[in-house]
Amino acid sequence: DAKTTQPNSMESNEEEPVHLPCNHSTISGTDYIHWYRQLPSQGPEYVIHGLTSNVNNRMASLAIAEDRKSSTLILHRATLRDAAVYYCILRTTGTASKLTFGTGTRLQVTL
Amino acid sequence: EAQVTQNPRYLITVTGKKLTVTCSQNMNHEYMSWYRQDPGLGLRQIYYSMNVEVTDKGDVPEGYKVSRKEKRNFPLILESPSPNQTSLYFCASRHGQGGTDTQYFGPGTRLTVL
Repeated sequence: DAKTTQPNSMESNEEEPVHLPCNHSTISGTDYIHWYRQLPSQGPEYVIHGLTSNVNNRMASLAIAEDRKSSTLILHRATLRDAAVYYCILRTTGTASKLTFGTGTRLQVTL
Repeated sequence: EAQVTQNPRYLITVTGKKLTVTCSQNMNHEYMSWYRQDPGLGLRQIYYSMNVEVTDKGDVPEGYKVSRKEKRNFPLILESPSPNQTSLYFCASRHGQGGTDTQYFGPGTRLTVL
């Protein structure tokens, strides 16, 4: 599986935007970029995914570099409920395709 | 409501006493899997199943068994639990094998083996 690199931790103030970076320099043409997050004491939950174009949904935006070697998850206005570990994952289409979780970025949100 | 349920949520047991952690999903998903989460090691896949009666090993299958007799259920069986299987376990499901499929996770089962 192609590897992703994320900072171990980041901090943000509440109501401010947060940009969570992810490097995936060995990404292949068929890899989708997925983001999941894990709130304290919960299972991971899906946030967003994309292939080449930037994506928006109700939770976040995903900005993908033109060469696809990096991406950024954008939380437009962080709240205390966004404090979680955020995982950037590459998904390859295939019968045994699995989610390989790295250590993710722990986001702290303060008042 | 679409969901993955696991039972029990918490379990304390002793070495060697067989146990089963149940997992059920109500989304008619074909693909189900089990993960364990340990500090510093992240989430690691134990077993997965691509459909009824089709299962295969993940990254850390030793000491575990699974079965998939019905599409909605995917129990995790520890025939003879040992202390190194103390961990937080997550069941997950998704529709298929596409790169766009969203994976849904259960709430987790915290297992302690004494």
